[in-house]
Amino acid sequence: EAGVAQSPRYKIIEKRQSVAFWCNPISGHATLYWYQQILGQGPKLLIQFQNNGVVDDSQLPKDRFSAERLKGVDSTLKIQPAKLEDSAVYLCASSLNSGAGIQYFGAGTRLSVL
Amino acid sequence: QQPVQSPQAVILREGEDAVINCSSSKALYSVHWYRQKHGEAPVFLMILLKGGEQKGHDKISASFNEKKQQSSLYLTASQLSYSGTYFCGTENGNQFYFGTGTSLTVIP
Repeated sequence: EAGVAQSPRYKIIEKRQSVAFWCNPISGHATLYWYQQILGQGPKLLIQFQNNGVVDDSQLPKDRFSAERLKGVDSTLKIQPAKLEDSAVYLCASSLNSGAGIQYFGAGTRLSVL
Repeated sequence: QQPVQSPQAVILREGEDAVINCSSSKALYSVHWYRQKHGEAPVFLMILLKGGEQKGHDKISASFNEKKQQSSLYLTASQLSYSGTYFCGTENGNQFYFGTGTSLTVIP
């Protein structure tokens, strides 16, 4: 069974530029999560989708971050414009259902904002 | 709302035991435990649901006290492969939070 796919693996941009990350969850998984993990910290949930609806986006900086999950499968996370403090690893995870579901993580995208 | 873990870091010799604690200020529906090795994504270890159950996974087990809003992860007879950062994840309603993390290093 294929795992969670993310691309790109690495991205270097300058501040004020825009960037987009892509995630393809495990087939059949209804719930998709985007996390931001700053070096030395635990993953912080940015947004959680159940199919193509948003369950929780309370920690998403909506003035610069946006995410969508069209057709309830793939998802994209965008940052526009990027700030230095956005440098982090962006992790995508999926689970069969929300709630007490095992989350399977992708390899992540390491973003460096210069 | 982020659960607090203790200790922040621990160094063990192979074969020693360790306990990692996770404490939340909110009522919990479930507690997850994940391990993350350097440069890799977190990997699921176990989930505990309401009911004070204890689960085991090889020589790693965990308990969940919902009244105290706490969970503990027990690692017995540690192996070199146990090294990594351990995160608890707590779920209350629709919100999920990872804990502050505990760095565990096992040395020969």
